[in-house]
Amino acid sequence: QQQVKQSPQSLIVQKGGISIINCAYENTAFDYFPWYQQFPGKGPALLIAIRPDVSEKKEGRFTISFNKSAKQFSLHIMDSQPGDSATYFCAASGGTGGFKTIFGAGTRLFVKA
Amino acid sequence: DVKVTQSSRYLVKRTGEKVFLECVQDMDHENMFWYRQDPGLGLRLIYFSYDVKMKEKGDIPEGYSVSREKKERFSLILESASTNQTSMYLCAGQGATGNTIYFGEGSWLTVV
Repeated sequence: QQQVKQSPQSLIVQKGGISIINCAYENTAFDYFPWYQQFPGKGPALLIAIRPDVSEKKEGRFTISFNKSAKQFSLHIMDSQPGDSATYFCAASGGTGGFKTIFGAGTRLFVKA
Repeated sequence: DVKVTQSSRYLVKRTGEKVFLECVQDMDHENMFWYRQDPGLGLRLIYFSYDVKMKEKGDIPEGYSVSREKKERFSLILESASTNQTSMYLCAGQGATGNTIYFGEGSWLTVV
């Protein structure tokens, strides 16, 4: 019930392409869905987040698409750049879990120049 | 700028040693967390604290304990380190009313 499943585990994209990472959750009480970005040797940092009352949120080249009925959400990186190469974690929190955040297993993205 | 500081970035310890990982936050955050990061397993919650002297077990608390004597400081303790505790440990803080988690840069622990 508390799991967040993330795919793919790793992703290689050509510079300028679109990177897509998918996540699925089980607990319908979750009400906050963030994405974190982690560069090597650093801790994860918040990239973008969405609440279930909207189906899409865009910040620059980064977009979250949210499908409440399917219990899925995804991160789209448009015009992917080598500087986007990092590990991305989806997460979910809220509801009966309170402030506890459940993380996906992570996706390692490599953008080829 | 928000800051979570983990004082030890790289440690090598022997099996059976007692290990302390220290974390300090300067954001006056109520909630603090210790996660463990392993390849393919993501971030797994070890312990968290929502107030001074309060602590709750996360998903993988076995072999670990924590201490929160002051609001800004949250320590992770490995009572008797074992090789399967070789990992990257991440401390994080979160405000009482916010959802965003702020991470430190991580502590790489190797147990030999």
